[in-house]
Amino acid sequence: GAVVSQHPSWVICKSGTSVKIECRSLDFQATTMFWYRQFPKQSLMLMATSNEGSKATYEQGVEKDKFLINHASLTLSTLTVTSAHPEDSSFYICSEQQGGGEQYFGPGTRLTVT
Amino acid sequence: GENVEQHPSTLSVQEGDSAVIKCTYSDSASNYFPWYKQELGKRPQLIIDIRSNVGEKKDQRIAVTLNKTAKHFSLHITETQPEDSAVYFCAASIGYSTLTFGKGTMLLVSP
Repeated sequence: GAVVSQHPSWVICKSGTSVKIECRSLDFQATTMFWYRQFPKQSLMLMATSNEGSKATYEQGVEKDKFLINHASLTLSTLTVTSAHPEDSSFYICSEQQGGGEQYFGPGTRLTVT
Repeated sequence: GENVEQHPSTLSVQEGDSAVIKCTYSDSASNYFPWYKQELGKRPQLIIDIRSNVGEKKDQRIAVTLNKTAKHFSLHITETQPEDSAVYFCAASIGYSTLTFGKGTMLLVSP
């Protein structure tokens, strides 16, 4: 399987501040990465598809101005949660898509907004 | 869009027993069906997948079956061990498109 890293693994921030989460593909040049969020005891909810060199495609109901995604290189995609609020507290996970369509996930970032 | 239903939501078995988790999908165009295992606080790990051109795939103690006519696929785990305890997610997609996940099954294997 692929090796995907995320940084940070956990972060606590104050309401109103912004947080950037990095997702790196360590052994594959991923033209497509995905960002998910997962609430406790729930399934993975796709937030957006991140395409290298182009704008991200957001799922319905996900605010693109609040969750900024940048995929500037084949190995790095970033998610910035802007003006974070307590309801944004969640587990954010990225994945990379490989040649056969398989997705491999990063270790996730636990965001807590106080 | 695609809709994936997964059952049961929880499954308790004794060590050594078999466990079966079932999923149904709605879009007959779906052709890729992965299964993920997620331990508490960890990343989902791809454990097995199947494409629509085959009906069954095995990897040691795990197997996946696919019935395209009925639009359902199942995960089979034999000789379960306590370390198999986790949440299992099925998913479906069309080619290289986005994955649609089921709601997950919490599997508890008791020693």
